[in-house]
Amino acid sequence: QQQVKQSPQSLIVQKGGISIINCAYENTAFDYFPWYQQFPGKGPALLIAIRPDVSEKKEGRFTISFNKSAKQFSLHIMDSQPGDSATYFCAASKNNAGNMLTFGGGTRLMVKP
Amino acid sequence: DARVTQTPRHKVTEMGQEVTMRCQPILGHNTVFWYRQTMMQGLELLAYFRNRAPLDDSGMPKDRFSAEMPDATLATLKIQPSEPRDSAVYFCASGLITMRYSGGAGAGANVLTFGAGSRLTVL
Repeated sequence: QQQVKQSPQSLIVQKGGISIINCAYENTAFDYFPWYQQFPGKGPALLIAIRPDVSEKKEGRFTISFNKSAKQFSLHIMDSQPGDSATYFCAASKNNAGNMLTFGGGTRLMVKP
Repeated sequence: DARVTQTPRHKVTEMGQEVTMRCQPILGHNTVFWYRQTMMQGLELLAYFRNRAPLDDSGMPKDRFSAEMPDATLATLKIQPSEPRDSAVYFCASGLITMRYSGGAGAGANVLTFGAGSRLTVL
């Protein structure tokens, strides 16, 4: 059972555009939703994260929007840059599971100059 | 910068051979995870340890995989015998995990740090 579904699998955006990646989860016990960024040949690295007590979190050009009733959350990258080209993973975990992350399938983002 | 160190970075082996991957977690981190990444399955959790004790290895094929943490500075993942379908990138991640909700979500709040991975090819 895929507990975190991520879409799209790949995304091409022009420089300066907005990149949007969506995730949906099934387990209502999840209470921590991070996004990880992975460059080729590297391990995933935490980009931004949100708890369900807020509907939005912004850090620079990166924003997470969270819809608890719909069990969905999304990553928005404003003013996308070629350096943002990477694979992005959403994830979810339960606080009482010590942050054992369940990952979405990943989105390969390419930002064209 | 503190980092998680994984060895080897690349390994090519023949089917049936034993493979051991090693991970040095960040000093002071109390939780270590092993993930496997493939194109088809994405990132799958294989096993994880808290304070060196195995907490969950339900994602790991028990007949051929084993994970151990002989001391706080070393975690190992062993495959014996290896099969072509084991070809993947294996990631180790560590974190200082607190069970209490610490408020802000971000740096310091149950963050996992991943190593660069061990790319395994089984011929």
